[in-house]
Amino acid sequence: DGGITQSPKYLFRKEGQNVTLSCEQNLNHDAMYWYRQDPGQGLRLIYYSQIVNDFQKGDIAEGYSVSREKKESFPLTVTSAQKNPTAFYLCASSTGTGMQPQHFGDGTRLSIL
Amino acid sequence: AQSVSQHNHHVILSEAASLELGCNYSYGGTVNLFWYVQYPGQHLQLLLKYFSGDPLVKGIKGFEAEFIKSKFSFNLRKPSVQWSDTAEYFCAVMDTGRRALTFGSGTRLQVQP
Repeated sequence: DGGITQSPKYLFRKEGQNVTLSCEQNLNHDAMYWYRQDPGQGLRLIYYSQIVNDFQKGDIAEGYSVSREKKESFPLTVTSAQKNPTAFYLCASSTGTGMQPQHFGDGTRLSIL
Repeated sequence: AQSVSQHNHHVILSEAASLELGCNYSYGGTVNLFWYVQYPGQHLQLLLKYFSGDPLVKGIKGFEAEFIKSKFSFNLRKPSVQWSDTAEYFCAVMDTGRRALTFGSGTRLQVQP
């Protein structure tokens, strides 16, 4: 079955450490997205990529970085510059054409030790 | 910047009760609207979407939503809820430039048997 795989499901980070969240899709989608979900705030866009080797900042990109070297992969790095990284991170993808809905992964919950 | 407001943060209903969840958006251009649902422990799933045409949109599991342009609203409805509808519901509008979603803060629905 096609879908989006996020790993790990739970991740713990020490202060001052960078961590990378994995997102892989086998839907052959061109566009991929990272959202952050906090209680009572819905989802907020961190970064998005409409095509391989290209990505753009979303609404809350500070303290995060991404890469898009392959169509199926869009890893997110949470750097030590992100002062409040504890959250639920969701990856999504879409065909990128028209206004097609996005498909979401199961998410990664990041906590600070 | 566009925004989405969901005024009901937590709704508790008994089975067979009717449901209406409010969603208002602020966006001056052509809107593409979505309702997503997140069941406990599961990933976000698309309930329904509105792009154009008939303002009354039918989705999965008996849900429907009505787009009222004059009120900037896209309320979600279901005539008779079931215990299995217990979940968090998110309204979203698509940014036609970024093709990314702006989400409301979500409504947690609890259906009591």
